[in-house]
Amino acid sequence: DTEVTQTPKHLVMGMTNKKSLKCEQHMGHRAMYWYKQKAKKPPELMFVYSYEKLSINESVPSRFSPECPNSSLLNLHLHALQPEDSALYLCASSLIGATAYEQYFGPGTRLTVT
Amino acid sequence: AQSVTQLDSQVPVFEEAPVELRCNYSSSVSVYLFWYVQYPNQGLQLLLKYLSGSTLVESINGFEAEFNKSQTSFHLRKPSVHISDTAEYFCAVTPGGTSYGKLTFGQGTILTVHP
Repeated sequence: DTEVTQTPKHLVMGMTNKKSLKCEQHMGHRAMYWYKQKAKKPPELMFVYSYEKLSINESVPSRFSPECPNSSLLNLHLHALQPEDSALYLCASSLIGATAYEQYFGPGTRLTVT
Repeated sequence: AQSVTQLDSQVPVFEEAPVELRCNYSSSVSVYLFWYVQYPNQGLQLLLKYLSGSTLVESINGFEAEFNKSQTSFHLRKPSVHISDTAEYFCAVTPGGTSYGKLTFGQGTILTVHP
């Protein structure tokens, strides 16, 4: 199974709402990532978890709060977002080892903030 | 720090024609290189990778890329494209010596295959 799943596929939320994005993989990968992709742009890294611990935070605003409750699951909690946060949010995972490994991406959650 | 330049933002070609999507990178350390493909409204799929070994790498659907260290390039080629190859293609690098971490992407090249 080489699949990363993400739910929901689409999400519309108001600026005062709280919502969460979910990502799951069962490939035994111990690194998991959140990326943000604006229209017609490449993905930009937000967070990296390794062995369920946050290892990279690319200076993301605190209205985005990641969580890695176990080795298969990654959440992104959203609160008080702005319209400019509307984007495709991609989750990815990879092995950790002696060399670099490719990242496997999920299909993404398309978020619209109204 | 690393940077990636994809020299063409859009490449239109006719079906069964050859295509080359160009990628150059800049880095002060050794890098690992990847090509990802993104179909409309979908996530990214790994097309091929260069980690070590042979500088020519191939994918299962006929694409190939060659790592050229002296020219710091990793161009993607296909000898004969299909309509189904229409998508956006991203070149990406990650620094060597790390087993996981930040992928730096190029700006993407939209390949459009016309019948």
